[in-house]
Amino acid sequence: KQEVTQIPAALSVPEGENLVLNCSFTDSAIYNLQWFRQDPGKGLTSLLLIQSSQREQTSGRLNASLDKSSGRSTLYIAASQPGDSATYLCLEVKAAGNKLTFGGGTRVLVKP
Amino acid sequence: DAMVIQNPRYQVTQFGKPVTLSCSQTLNHNVMYWYQQKSSQAPKLLFHYYDKDFNNEADTPDNFQSRRPNTSFCFLDIRSPGLGDAAMYLCATSRDRDRSYNEQFFGPGTRLTVL
Repeated sequence: KQEVTQIPAALSVPEGENLVLNCSFTDSAIYNLQWFRQDPGKGLTSLLLIQSSQREQTSGRLNASLDKSSGRSTLYIAASQPGDSATYLCLEVKAAGNKLTFGGGTRVLVKP
Repeated sequence: DAMVIQNPRYQVTQFGKPVTLSCSQTLNHNVMYWYQQKSSQAPKLLFHYYDKDFNNEADTPDNFQSRRPNTSFCFLDIRSPGLGDAAMYLCATSRDRDRSYNEQFFGPGTRLTVL
């Protein structure tokens, strides 16, 4: 059964600490993996997209890596700030049939 | 700015009373998606349109229907809402389904309450 897993489900860190968020998937035949941020009661904001041919993507304090052989993507957020508090979701996009599956999300709290 | 717009942002309906949610996009993308997100859960894909071609997910209830009258607009119809259909409904678009162009762009969502 296809599954996308995010562990831990919740994470609390002091301001300034680096965040490491994990996304695991069971099938290496993916098109791409996309990371999103969701604030409570809001829609999804795209953070980074990694295509299957890429190993990582960077945007400002954010860096996402993709390792298809181990079925893992990691989102790093450097020098966390209270404004980074949100739920972070990964989305796996597979090939034929445009199969899209979200992970369960990691709820992050950055304490001042 | 090019974007995905959802109206209304909040919708209240009565048990069993049909309701329609609206999504529009100025991105001129070929693909439009509808997701359902229940409280503290991940979004779940209901269906998508690739141009005029409708693609239903296998486990989407028959109670949910969709229409795409043109490239810009897509509607989600819930024929007889039940209490279990209360959720956030998210619309998304992608330029295409090809691996290089299926980055998802989301609207702000419509929160549906069923009384």
